[in-house]
Amino acid sequence: QVQLVQSGSELRKPGASVKVSCKASGYTFTRYAINWVRQAPGQGLEWMGWIDPNTVNPTYAQDFTGRFVFSLDTSVSTAYLEISGLKPEDSAIYYCAREAAPMDYWGQGTLVTVSS
Amino acid sequence: DIQMTQSPSSLSASVGDRVTITCRASQGIRNELGWYQREPGKAPKRLIYAASSLQSGVPSRFSGSGSGTEFTLTISSLQPEDFATYYCLQYNSLPPTFGQGTKLQIK
Repeated sequence: QVQLVQSGSELRKPGASVKVSCKASGYTFTRYAINWVRQAPGQGLEWMGWIDPNTVNPTYAQDFTGRFVFSLDTSVSTAYLEISGLKPEDSAIYYCAREAAPMDYWGQGTLVTVSS
Repeated sequence: DIQMTQSPSSLSASVGDRVTITCRASQGIRNELGWYQREPGKAPKRLIYAASSLQSGVPSRFSGSGSGTEFTLTISSLQPEDFATYYCLQYNSLPPTFGQGTKLQIK
C-alpha cells in the first residue's frame, strides 16, 4: 500500500536550519510529484509547492521562496524539505503529499518548533 | 489566487446525524475540488476527488457534489470515527488552495 512516512519532530533555535524527510513506499516514486503543505498553529493548510521527480524541478509558492528548498533522493524514494534561517513563525506542522490531482496520500506530518 | 470559503468553521452533531459542509470558490473551478479528513496526529485522508468521486476504501456515507463555485460534502449518518476536521481543496489552478476547515465535534 502507498505510504509516506515523515521524519520526527524537530526543535531548533532561530537562525538554524532543519531538514524534514518524507520516505515513499508502495508505488513507483518517479511517477508522482511530491507536494509540501504547512499548517501553522491555529491556521489552515497552506500549499508550499511541489517537486517533480522526473525533472527534479521544484515549484515554490510565492510565500516560500528563498529559505525553503525541496529536494529528492530517488535512490531511496525520499523527498526532503530544508528550511534555513528559521524564524519563530516557521513553527508549524509540515506535511508531504503525493500529487494525484488532487493530493491523495499524505505523510503523518512533522512538527517543527523554532524557539530560543 | 482562488479563495475557498468553507462553512461552517465548526459543527456539533450526534452519531447518526446527517451533516453538510460547504465550500465556495472565488471563481469557477469546474469540478476540480477534493475533500479531506484530518484527525489529530494522523495523515490527512482524501475522501472525495473531482467534486463527487469517492476515494477507494472510503465509506459510502460520504458524498460530494457541486461544480463551478459551490460544493458540498455530506455525511449521511455520522459515525464515532467521523469526528474530525474536514478541508476542501481546489486544484483547478496554481496555487492549490484549501478551505479554512470545519471541525466536527460530538454534541
